[in-house]
Amino acid sequence: DAGVIQSPRHEVTEMGQEVTLRCKPISGHNSLFWYRQTMMRGLELLIYFNNNVPIDDSGMPEDRFSAKMPNASFSTLKIQPSEPRDSAVYFCASSPPASRGTDTQYFGPGTRLTVL
Amino acid sequence: SQQGEEDPQALSIQEGENATMNCSYKTSINNLQWYRQNSGRGLVHLILIRSNEREKHSGRLRVTLDTSKKSSSLLITASRAADTASYFCATAPSRGGSQGNLIFGKGTKLSVKP
Repeated sequence: DAGVIQSPRHEVTEMGQEVTLRCKPISGHNSLFWYRQTMMRGLELLIYFNNNVPIDDSGMPEDRFSAKMPNASFSTLKIQPSEPRDSAVYFCASSPPASRGTDTQYFGPGTRLTVL
Repeated sequence: SQQGEEDPQALSIQEGENATMNCSYKTSINNLQWYRQNSGRGLVHLILIRSNEREKHSGRLRVTLDTSKKSSSLLITASRAADTASYFCATAPSRGGSQGNLIFGKGTKLSVKP
């Protein structure tokens, strides 16, 4: 299996620009998670989906952030407009259905975002 | 809010020594998991221990869980330079709610010197 795929791996943009991060979960997984990791705040859960439905978006910093999951094999995290404080590594993770008896999460390689 | 808190924040040992990392949490859990993160990479699942288990082994890893103290420990025996990484505990809350949400700690940065 290919694992969780994220693109781009690196993104450098200027303040005010729109940024879109993409994620393809592992086939057969029905939960998808977006995290943000910084030195100061550690790993923060932004939002997660179950069966393509957003379940908890309380971690989304503000209205500038939005996430979608139009189907089981694709999700996006959009930041508009971006700000320097959004600079971080963004991870996508997926996990299999609860019926498999585990909620282990499988992480993608991350997108390193730098907002100048 | 962060549920898992790892201790110590950083640990430096010599190759061949054992490394012990601890994790404390606040609420009732279904299970507790340990993940590893190499620099610049995503987290990788190492081991899961359920709330009704007290100890679990996987290769050179040994995990213990004390639900009365709300704490867990990860022991890596006979450490190698390749074990250098950050290690995170993650808890699956047992409260009612949606499937699969884990709460991660801030991690322990382990450095194993050759």
